[in-house]
Amino acid sequence: EVQLVESGGGLVQPGGSLRLSCAASGFTFSSYSMNWVRQAPGKGLEWVSYISSSSSTIYYADSVKGRFTISRDNAKNSLYLQMNSLRAEDTAVYYCARPRYCSGGTCYDDYWGQGTLVTVSS
Amino acid sequence: EIVLTQSPGTLSLSPGERATLSCRASQSVSSSYLAWYQQKPGQAPRLLISGASSRATGIPDRFSGSGSGTDFTLTISRLEPEDFAVYYCQQYGSSPRTFGQGTKLEIK
Repeated sequence: EVQLVESGGGLVQPGGSLRLSCAASGFTFSSYSMNWVRQAPGKGLEWVSYISSSSSTIYYADSVKGRFTISRDNAKNSLYLQMNSLRAEDTAVYYCARPRYCSGGTCYDDYWGQGTLVTVSS
Repeated sequence: EIVLTQSPGTLSLSPGERATLSCRASQSVSSSYLAWYQQKPGQAPRLLISGASSRATGIPDRFSGSGSGTDFTLTISRLEPEDFAVYYCQQYGSSPRTFGQGTKLEIK
């Protein structure tokens, strides 16, 4: 059974940093690209970042470019999102998601974690 | 980027009725690369449809998708109590991938 379990969320002050993790199991993690998608409270879904299976290709949404860094450790079956210079508008539930299909790094996902809440507030 | 506009914002129907949800794109979606997700409160999104019309594994056949170009539709033929949720469309034919703002399907 495919499982994605996010962790690392919490309350952080504006300008602060946080590192999210996603532990994957039930599939060959190293064979799949991965995504982070977020959802602000009461709002819709927003794609955040993509990483290919070998980490050779990485994309970011314009809203996080230069502040967030996606990475992975295939030996540990783990996906990460380093978030720096956090802003109030980054407050959201962050989901890691496994794509079913990607076209040039643009994907749709068939497995999602339960999400981890990041709150940016003073 | 492609903007997806879903309508209506809220749809109030009764179990057993037919639901028709619309997703309109600001420009043509390449290769009909359009997906639909269902999300219930406190849960992650669940993939329903990809390629505009292909049901994902385990999705009941009362869910169907159609459309091409800029106009797409998700139809639920006979609503079951568990179908009341928020539905999102998402295009993956053009970078960046984008989502619609969602349609809330509520019990009348």
